Amino acid sequence: AQSVAQPEDQVNVAEGNPLTVKCTYSVSGNPYLFWYVQYPNRGLQFLLKYITGDNLVKGSYGFEAEFNKSQTSFHLKKPSALVSDSALYFCAVRDTMDSNYQLIWGAGTKLIIKP
Amino acid sequence: DGGITQSPKYLFRKEGQNVTLSCEQNLNHDAMYWYRQDPGQGLRLIYYSQIVNDFQKGDIAEGYSVSREKKESFPLTVTSAQKNPTAFYLCASSSDRGVGNQPQHFGDGTRLSIL
Repeated sequence: AQSVAQPEDQVNVAEGNPLTVKCTYSVSGNPYLFWYVQYPNRGLQFLLKYITGDNLVKGSYGFEAEFNKSQTSFHLKKPSALVSDSALYFCAVRDTMDSNYQLIWGAGTKLIIKP
Repeated sequence: DGGITQSPKYLFRKEGQNVTLSCEQNLNHDAMYWYRQDPGQGLRLIYYSQIVNDFQKGDIAEGYSVSREKKESFPLTVTSAQKNPTAFYLCASSSDRGVGNQPQHFGDGTRLSIL
């Protein structure tokens, strides 16, 4: 069955430290992977995606993510966290074997950056 | 600026009442989506449309209805058959034409509550 797991409900990081938000997935075919961020009472904003090619993907606001096919993971990273990075982060995957091509969403990880 | 506009921002429903949530986009996107977001859960797909005058049920379509008479507009009606409508509703669009490699763009949501 297709699924996305974000194993941590909440991640706490001190400002200036590196951050990682984890995502693992299970699909039948090749995955298209996405990260989104949501601020309180707002819609989701697209951060980055992996479709094919280089396993390290760079996105908005200094975020990057690394696609690891053997570990079926797509962790979101940033070298130096800012207080303004505090938000809810969602990982999503499309299964290229699924003719519906609908996104499968993780439950979200709340990121808290402490000054 | 191009984007997605959802209205109203807050909506209250009485027992037995149908209410309609508006979603308009000026991105010239073919595909549009409605999601429901509950606390601690990921996004759940209600309906989606890949072309005018055509739409498909998502995972939780019961108690909801949609129309797609214009490319720019995809209104969602929450009917009285939806017994637990209290949630944050998000509309999205994408330039995707069934390939699945394009990100979705989101509106800022409508928060629906029961009176």
